[in-house]
Amino acid sequence: DQQVKQNSPSLSVQEGRISILNCDYTNSMFDYFLWYKKYPAEGPTFLISISSIKDKNEDGRFTVFLNKSAKHLSLHIVPSQPGDSAVYFCASGYKAAGNKLTFGGGTRVLVKP
Amino acid sequence: DARVTQTPRHKVTEMGQEVTMRCQPILGHNTVFWYRQTMMQGLELLAYFRNRAPLDDSGMPKDRFSAEMPDATLATLKIQPSEPRDSAVYFCASGLTADGKGAADTQYFGPGTRLTVL
Repeated sequence: DQQVKQNSPSLSVQEGRISILNCDYTNSMFDYFLWYKKYPAEGPTFLISISSIKDKNEDGRFTVFLNKSAKHLSLHIVPSQPGDSAVYFCASGYKAAGNKLTFGGGTRVLVKP
Repeated sequence: DARVTQTPRHKVTEMGQEVTMRCQPILGHNTVFWYRQTMMQGLELLAYFRNRAPLDDSGMPKDRFSAEMPDATLATLKIQPSEPRDSAVYFCASGLTADGKGAADTQYFGPGTRLTVL
C-alpha cells in the first residue's frame, strides 16, 4: 500500500528552464509534507517543507505547492541548474504518527547544460 | 556543522554472517530512524526511536533484524544471519520533535551504509 507516490521515475530538463516534480498521497491524515534531494553515495538532504494549513511555500528557487483536495503536491525549481541533478523524494507525515515519515519512490532529475 | 554519522560506509559480507551498523545522531536530537533503500522499494522505514525508546519497528523483519539505542549518542541495526536479499543502502536519520510528544518534523540523514551480502 503505497501511501505516497511519485509517478515519474525520471525527468530531463534544460538548464534555465523550470523543473516540476509531482507527488500524490492517499492518507488524508497527512498534515506535513517535505521534499528531500539525494546525490549519489550521500544521504537525502532536506530541501523544503509545507504544512497542510498552507498551499504554497517558497525558498529561493524552490517552491512547493499543496493541493489538499487533490491530495497532490509539487515541487517547482526555477531556474534549473546542473547542480540540481539528483534524485528527489517527497515525504509525508502527520502529528499523531510523531516524526514518522512515509517516502515516495523518488524522481531522478537531470538538468542538461 | 552537526551531522548524522554512520559506520561503516561500506560492508561486504557472506550470507549467514552477522552485520552491525552504527549511527551517531545529531547531538540533542530525540528521534532516530533506520531506513533501507533498494531499487525496487525506495526508502522503507525499518525502525523508529523516540527518547531512545523503540516506537515502531513494524517495517523490520523481526526474525533476523534488531535495532537498539544503548545510549543517546548511539543507535545500532543488527542483521543476524544476513541474506543476499538484505543487500541495500541503510540510512540512519535523526530529528527533534518540537513538543516532545511527537510532531511531524524534519529528519536529517546520515550518508548511509552500503551493505552487500554475497
